[in-house]
Amino acid sequence: GAGVSQSPRYKVAKRGQDVALRCDPISGHVSLFWYQQALGQGPEFLTYFQNEAQLDKSGLPSDRFFAERPEGSVSTLKIQRTQQEDSAVYLCASSSVFSREVYGYTFGSGTRLTVV
Amino acid sequence: ILNVEQSPQSLHVQEGDSTNFTCSFPSSNFYALHWYRWETAKSPEALFVMTLNGDEKKKGRISATLNTKEGYSYLYIKGSQPEDSATYLCAFRNNAGNMLTFGGGTRLMVKP
Repeated sequence: GAGVSQSPRYKVAKRGQDVALRCDPISGHVSLFWYQQALGQGPEFLTYFQNEAQLDKSGLPSDRFFAERPEGSVSTLKIQRTQQEDSAVYLCASSSVFSREVYGYTFGSGTRLTVV
Repeated sequence: ILNVEQSPQSLHVQEGDSTNFTCSFPSSNFYALHWYRWETAKSPEALFVMTLNGDEKKKGRISATLNTKEGYSYLYIKGSQPEDSATYLCAFRNNAGNMLTFGGGTRLMVKP
């Protein structure tokens, strides 16, 4: 597609429910990032993939958070047993080696997760 | 932990005013400084990628400068328009990897 696509746009989950957030990066972009943006703050890094390899997961806040990108394209961020503090906008970004040096990263519109 | 700070947090200006905001970042291990513009319910849009000390970039009425030695960047908007209303984010990338560390953003509101 022309841009990074994220789904769903909005998700309301009951506390304790599992959720899965999807990211479709730009075709051919090898790098894929997940960020979490809490209200009133800047996006915070969660995890990074290069193709199917998860090279950095240092930002995942707990073992309830899990991300995968099995075929090096679509990625899923899964949150198990959601808690209220997980409420945030989850942003996905992708880039090629060339594009990030010149144009920066291309972001999706995000998934707004509200845990009630 | 990398500290990236933006000021002010929010700014209200009248249409036609020129404005500027600041991003401060670590001055060591610098690789690049990114600026993004984020309108509500849309994707953050890349404005500039800056890499060289003294760099100045321009896109229409928006320009940015970079000082890597002292660790700051300024974003300027000349003759603000209501459509410039958005959150402006800066993000620092060091030479250790591809990850961006974002500031908290400056929320700009331009009144007609």
